Amino acid sequence: DQQVKQNSPSLSVQEGRISILNCDYTNSMFDYFLWYKKYPAEGPTFLISISSIKDKNEDGRFTVFLNKSAKHLSLHIVPSQPGDSAVYFCAASANTGNQFYFGTGTSLTVIP
Amino acid sequence: DVKVTQSSRYLVKRTGEKVFLECVQDMDHENMFWYRQDPGLGLRLIYFSYDVKMKEKGDIPEGYSVSREKKERFSLILESASTNQTSMYLCASSDRDQPQHFGDGTRLSIL
Repeated sequence: DQQVKQNSPSLSVQEGRISILNCDYTNSMFDYFLWYKKYPAEGPTFLISISSIKDKNEDGRFTVFLNKSAKHLSLHIVPSQPGDSAVYFCAASANTGNQFYFGTGTSLTVIP
Repeated sequence: DVKVTQSSRYLVKRTGEKVFLECVQDMDHENMFWYRQDPGLGLRLIYFSYDVKMKEKGDIPEGYSVSREKKERFSLILESASTNQTSMYLCASSDRDQPQHFGDGTRLSIL
């Protein structure tokens, strides 16, 4: 059963606008969340993380928001750039170990 | 920078063959992982290891085994390859509770 879900397989956004990628999870024990970015023919690269003691973490153009009561997190990219076009995976883990559960990914296309 | 190296980018094997996928990391990480990535299914964990000679099953271990004889090397073994094991295989390493660093993947085709 999929514990981490990304319900939008794809998203298209104009360059300069905001991209919002969403992720939902079911396991209330999850306390650490990450976003990865993946280009074709490359492995995923770590983008940004957030622990459950926070509700927001920002790194440059990337901000992750966590809503624990809704079991929902989102990644905001502002402003979006064509180089941001990639597949984005969210992942979650519980304090019991280092096993991460990944979502199915959202393919972002930023249109110049 | 962390470097996770997978021995092959592309591999073609035949049904029933024993297949070895090799992964080496250069950052002395304790944890190593093998995933497969399939369209619409995301990344699914096959096996992971927290230490040398230690292994734990992930979500889809059937048909696979692993070996970790040295800290830097984690091998995935397909005992008798089948067509449903055609996939992209990704290796990752990390320190405990830290983000995982991934290799570039091995695209494996079983004919």
